[in-house]
Amino acid sequence: DSGVTQTPKHLITATGQRVTLRCSPRSGDLSVYWYQQSLDQGLQFLIQYYNGEERAKGNILERFSAQQFPDLHSELNLSSLELGDSALYFCASSVGPGAGQNIQYFGAGTRLSVL
Amino acid sequence: DQQVKQNSPSLSVQEGRISILNCDYTNSMFDYFLWYKKYPAEGPTFLISISSIKDKNEDGRFTVFLNKSAKHLSLHIVPSQPGDSAVYFCAASPDSNYQLIWGAGTKLIIKP
Repeated sequence: DSGVTQTPKHLITATGQRVTLRCSPRSGDLSVYWYQQSLDQGLQFLIQYYNGEERAKGNILERFSAQQFPDLHSELNLSSLELGDSALYFCASSVGPGAGQNIQYFGAGTRLSVL
Repeated sequence: DQQVKQNSPSLSVQEGRISILNCDYTNSMFDYFLWYKKYPAEGPTFLISISSIKDKNEDGRFTVFLNKSAKHLSLHIVPSQPGDSAVYFCAASPDSNYQLIWGAGTKLIIKP
């Protein structure tokens, strides 16, 4: 158990809808990262928050947004969903702000299926 | 443009033998490299890392080798065990404040 909790585990929705994915980081970790993994692809970094502030942005679509709350949990909001948004979404957390030397601990992921 | 490449989608190795997973990168500014392991239905877990000031780092059965001139790193697992069957991801970063760039992963299958 990594200590990172993601809910829900599975999500099935229709095109055009909006969903929210939730992540609780490990106790003591201030950074939260969101990743997307499409079928047979590597992990695509979406966005990072550190202690409530956006720290870095990757290939995140404008239809997607995220935030980190004062209790350090984070939510990833996906709107106007398209079939191509079907993927595994991972949340990871680390102690510090820098990704390079901070080990990231991953949740089990949320599998999103857009029908 | 894939900055981190794992050219072998899968690798099959006999139990007890050495497993060698390879990773190539294109960005000479990458300074820190990590290997993560992923089982089905779980998130990736950190395995081992190496910084560019070293050419080898060892942790038990796992050793990572870095060849900066060739922009190549490899993960050696000796001896391979059935529990090593998983997808292995290579990731790199130009410095401690930048994001990780991930390879597509190599699925390792350990045959009994």
